[in-house]
Amino acid sequence: SQQGEEDPQALSIQEGENATMNCSYKTSINNLQWYRQNSGRGLVHLILIRSNEREKHSGRLRVTLDTSKKSSSLLITASRAADTASYFCATDVYNFNKFYFGSGTKLNVKP
Amino acid sequence: DAGITQSPRYKITETGRQVTLMCHQTWSHSYMFWYRQDLGHGLRLIYYSAAADITDKGEVPDGYVVSRSKTENFPLTLESATRSQTSVYFCASRLAGPLDDEQFFGPGTRLTVL
Repeated sequence: SQQGEEDPQALSIQEGENATMNCSYKTSINNLQWYRQNSGRGLVHLILIRSNEREKHSGRLRVTLDTSKKSSSLLITASRAADTASYFCATDVYNFNKFYFGSGTKLNVKP
Repeated sequence: DAGITQSPRYKITETGRQVTLMCHQTWSHSYMFWYRQDLGHGLRLIYYSAAADITDKGEVPDGYVVSRSKTENFPLTLESATRSQTSVYFCASRLAGPLDDEQFFGPGTRLTVL
């Protein structure tokens, strides 16, 4: 079964608004990563948060991690049309080199 | 800097045929991975390799074979293709250090099995 699940499955917002997507996972992790996938392309790494971190920022991205709830959230502030893509969380299961990806959140930012 | 490349980018084959998807990286990354992505879903790990001549199964290895004789290449073979193997296949790589967690992805191979 999949380790990570994103919520919502799809999100449509206006340019300039904030976008929040959530990820839940099942087992203990070493770290959690967020990736972006533009239509028809490969995945691009956005940000990584380790199991001993609670919050991390990178530009317009803010990631939180709650290991007690086994959940993470990705916030994109002041969204742009170029942020339109699918966003996936990936968990690095502890002591393995295996990454488990969720099913993704499809974000549509309307200009 | 070519990075990580996959070939072919598109492939149509018939049920029962053997198909090999190629993955090549120029960074000398230790780890390489093969994923499949089915329409509307996330990625599922097929196989991964920690170094040349070291491979291990992922979530969905059945029907696939991998080899890694050289660090830079990680081919994926479908020994006898089935329709359920119609998917987009992504290769990825990463460094081996304890803080080197980012995976770098290739552009993908879209495989259709008729």
